[in-house]
Amino acid sequence: QQPVQSPQAVILREGEDAVINCSSSKALYSVHWYRQKHGEAPVFLMILLKGGEQKGHEKISASFNEKKQQSSLYLTASQLSYSGTYFCGTISNFGNEKLTFGTGTRLTIIP
Amino acid sequence: DTGVSQNPRHKITKRGQNVTFRCDPISEHNRLYWYRQTLGQGPEFLTYFQNEAQLEKSRLLSDRFSAERPKGSFSTLEIQRTEQGDSAMYLCASSRQESTTEAFFGQGTRLTVV
Repeated sequence: QQPVQSPQAVILREGEDAVINCSSSKALYSVHWYRQKHGEAPVFLMILLKGGEQKGHEKISASFNEKKQQSSLYLTASQLSYSGTYFCGTISNFGNEKLTFGTGTRLTIIP
Repeated sequence: DTGVSQNPRHKITKRGQNVTFRCDPISEHNRLYWYRQTLGQGPEFLTYFQNEAQLEKSRLLSDRFSAERPKGSFSTLEIQRTEQGDSAMYLCASSRQESTTEAFFGQGTRLTVV
């Protein structure tokens, strides 16, 4: 069962902030965040491991709440280059270790 | 270029024909994934390998789909008797074995069944 992301789409003005959420029905070992631009392959952003860590990547950061089986991606002071569709990928705690992707969040940044 | 390579980039085929796609992963990566993606959707898991062993195949996947990774290096995905519903982007990704490492994606093969 794939993770559920919210919101499905968001439109921001350049400089505004956004939060994208990823929720799983399974206990998670890790959460992976990717961005995909139209017609291109998904590009890796960051990985979060169980333990509730928070990571940062320039003005993009993420948190992972292991107990709630949720992760959030934070984009601050958004830039035009942030436009694209964001996917979370999850690896569950038990059994096989396949990477399963979420439903996606389309982010549009306007000048 | 040492990234993930997929061939062909585009394939147009008539309904009922068989098609085969190839994926060459990053050389030191022993895990290889195949995904299918349609417009506006996330990558849908199809199957994955660890070295030459196919560890899981999606239960949603028709028996018309088969994948191999004979020597633990490149992989092929074959679709037999293609249907219009098979039209999609087929993505390959590879990673090291550990679940803590990122997966790198190829540029994909866009299949159009007419």
